Parts: sequence; structure tokens; C-alpha cells
Amino acid sequence: AQSVTQLGSHVSVSEGALVLLRCNYSSSVPPYLFWYVQYPNQGLQLLLKYTSAATLVKGINGFEAEFKKSETSFHLTKPSAHMSDAAEYFCAVFNFGNEKLTFGTGTRLTIIP
Amino acid sequence: DADVTQTPRNRITKTGKRIMLECSQTKGHDRMYWYRQDPGLGLRLIYYSFDVKDINKGEISDGYSVSRQAQAKFSLSLESAIPNQTALYFCATSDRYSEAFFGQGTRLTVV
Repeated sequence: AQSVTQLGSHVSVSEGALVLLRCNYSSSVPPYLFWYVQYPNQGLQLLLKYTSAATLVKGINGFEAEFKKSETSFHLTKPSAHMSDAAEYFCAVFNFGNEKLTFGTGTRLTIIP
Repeated sequence: DADVTQTPRNRITKTGKRIMLECSQTKGHDRMYWYRQDPGLGLRLIYYSFDVKDINKGEISDGYSVSRQAQAKFSLSLESAIPNQTALYFCATSDRYSEAFFGQGTRLTVV
């Protein structure tokens, strides 16, 4: 069965610094992978998705993620953090067997002024 | 208007009461889902429906039931609420093999 592991439940970076949020997946077939963002008191919003096309995926708000099959990873990055990036981020994998999304436990990103 | 609308947004209820959370979507998708979010646990799937006549249990369905009244409407019921059902509940919808679109969530507190 497909699963995702997000390393680090809390990550703090300084404003202007690199953001790196880690996601590793487990899948017996080439996966579809997603990153979602949740701002306070809001629902989840899609940041970006990988569906077996280009391995480097660009999303909204300057975020991007690279699919690395050899490392079973799909880490989320942004070159320069902004205060507005403070939120919780979820990685998810699509399970082709039962056609459901499985989410990681989330990473809360704090931006230090 | 939001693509996925959940009502109510906040609810406090007493132990043992029946409560219904409602969800409607305007995306025209066949698939709808109910998730529960708890701190440190991410989102866990309660029930999902691939069309009006197809309803399936997710990983944490005990204590919950659902009704798919129409393609656009999917409601979640707690027959007899208990305090450990206090959580943030999300409804979502998707096409096959595509991303899910989420509602704003319902914060439920059972006292």
C-alpha cells in the first residue's frame, strides 16, 4: 500500500532563507504525488502535483518539488521564505489500487522575522 | 462562491447527541470524501463515495455514517457523539486520478 512520511512536524526558517520540507513515499507503482498547504482556519489548497511528466514540478507562490525515484522522495522547496508562507504543509500520494489519497502527518512551517 | 461548501463551520455539541455535517460541491465531480484532521495525525479518511450509489468506509469509519443525497451533496453523521470525535472535519471532491478540492472545514467540539 502507498504511504508518505513527512520528516519534521515543525520547521522554522528565517525570512529570506531557503525552505525545505521533506516527503518520502512508499509505492509499488509509479505514484502521483501532491503537496497541499493549509493556512490557519482554512481548508487545504493544492500547491503542486506530480503525475509522471516532468520530475521538477513548479507550483504556486514560488514553491517547487522534485520527484526522485531513486530516493523515493518528493521534497518541497522555495528559495526565499516569506512571512506569508507560514502554514501547515501536507504531502499526499494517490493510491492506484483503491483510488484514494493518503496524506502525511503534516509539517508546520514557521517563518522567523 | 466556494467550490466546496461545508456547513456548519463550527459546532459545539454534547456527548450522546446526533449531529450532521453537510457538504455540497459545484465542481461537477462524482467523487466525494470526508476526512478528519487531528494535530500530529494529518488527515484520515472517514468515508468516500465514487458516485451516488457507491459509498465506502475509510480507515476510521466507526461511529460515523454518511449519506450521498445527490452528485453534489454528501453528508456525514455522528449518531451519538463522543468527546474523542472532537476534531476538524473536511469534505473534498475530485475527478478520477486528479487532485482533491477541499472545503473550509467544520470544527466540531463534543463536550
